[in-house]
Amino acid sequence: AQKVTQAQTEISVVEKEDVTLDCVYETRDTTYYLFWYKQPPSGELVFLIRRNSFDEQNEISGRYSWNFQKSTSSFNFTITASQVVDSAVYFCALSEAGGNTGKLIFGQGTTLQVKP
Amino acid sequence: GAGVSQTPSNKVTEKGKYVELRCDPISGHTALYWYRQSLGQGPEFLIYFQGTGAADDSGLPNDRFFAVRPEGSVSTLKIQRTERGDSAVYLCASSVSSASSYNEQFFGPGTRLTVL
Repeated sequence: AQKVTQAQTEISVVEKEDVTLDCVYETRDTTYYLFWYKQPPSGELVFLIRRNSFDEQNEISGRYSWNFQKSTSSFNFTITASQVVDSAVYFCALSEAGGNTGKLIFGQGTTLQVKP
Repeated sequence: GAGVSQTPSNKVTEKGKYVELRCDPISGHTALYWYRQSLGQGPEFLIYFQGTGAADDSGLPNDRFFAVRPEGSVSTLKIQRTERGDSAVYLCASSVSSASSYNEQFFGPGTRLTVL
């Protein structure tokens, strides 16, 4: 069965600290896609990144980086030098290729609070 | 260009009433998704349209929920005999195509439904 687990419900850091958001997934498909979305207080989900199951290269985009490890079924997200504007709820999501629908299975989300 | 829009932004209704929630996807996007997000949870998949047809409605909780997309663009989610447990934020998303589960989904701001 497909499942995404974000064990950290809430994280609070002080500005400029680095923070890592954990994501563990379960799937029986060999081809799947992983996503991270940000949901700021305004409520609209904002796409951050996607990876496919065949590409385990880590990715860096500015202060954001992602670590994908199939061996541990994890797709963790690190924010370097956090800023107050990073405060939001972050969701990890899984899409299995087998169903060919593209539907997303979301984790419970991690609320990140960055204090000045 | 215009993003995904949803109307109304807020809907308050009484238990037992019928409601309709509207979604206008990004122009040209053939895939459309409805999700439901309860407080403190990640979005949960409800239904997926490819063009005019509902290709996957496995997430609809029961037969009180129904959705249509008659012309392959605007979609309406309909809820009959509303119950207090239906209270949630209903999110709509669209993507270019679901031929690949790799496609990014663009989310609307959601409709907050409150059933009294």
